[in-house]
Amino acid sequence: GEDVEQSLFLSVREGDSSVINCTYTDSSSTYLYWYKQEPGAGLQLLTYIFSNMDMKQDQRLTVLLNKKDKHLSLRIADTQTGDSAIYFCAESKNTGGFKTIFGAGTRLFVKA
Amino acid sequence: DAMVIQNPRYQVTQFGKPVTLSCSQTLNHNVMYWYQQKSSQAPKLLFHYYDKDFNNEADTPDNFQSRRPNTSFCFLDIRSPGLGDAAMYLCATSRARLSSTDTQYFGPGTRLTVL
Repeated sequence: GEDVEQSLFLSVREGDSSVINCTYTDSSSTYLYWYKQEPGAGLQLLTYIFSNMDMKQDQRLTVLLNKKDKHLSLRIADTQTGDSAIYFCAESKNTGGFKTIFGAGTRLFVKA
Repeated sequence: DAMVIQNPRYQVTQFGKPVTLSCSQTLNHNVMYWYQQKSSQAPKLLFHYYDKDFNNEADTPDNFQSRRPNTSFCFLDIRSPGLGDAAMYLCATSRARLSSTDTQYFGPGTRLTVL
């Protein structure tokens, strides 16, 4: 089956690192994504990782993938108040289809 | 600068009164999607168009219809909105089938309230 699960809330202090976790069930998933949604805005693609990778780093963002445990995480270094948003984990398959399965989103609160 | 535009941003309708939500794109993408996102839930794909080809998800209620008169515009019609249809409706586009280079671009969403 297809299911993506995330914890609903995370609170961190400004300057600390944030780690948002996600688990997925479909082992055939090939692309795993992190989207950010700010209040009143649409989803913005932050980064993605292929299922044959273990890690991807992009400036303050680090994505870690544990395929064995079907676990994906997003680490935000030096978290800023502007990082406060909802972060969605998502997966899609290599068949080049049209369906992306999203998690329910993790709301990140950054305290000044 | 806006690439995927949704109008209106907020829509209020009455129970049973048909409503149409609008999406337009300046990206010239082949694929347009409609998602329903209820509070604290994942966005759920309702249907998508690949050019003029319409593809309905199996669990999308018949109450929801869509039209795509041209590449730039796509409409979501809710024929008889129920209280359970109150949600954020997200429009998205992609150039082609989803892959590492063809990802989705989302609009800001239309929040629908049903009274």
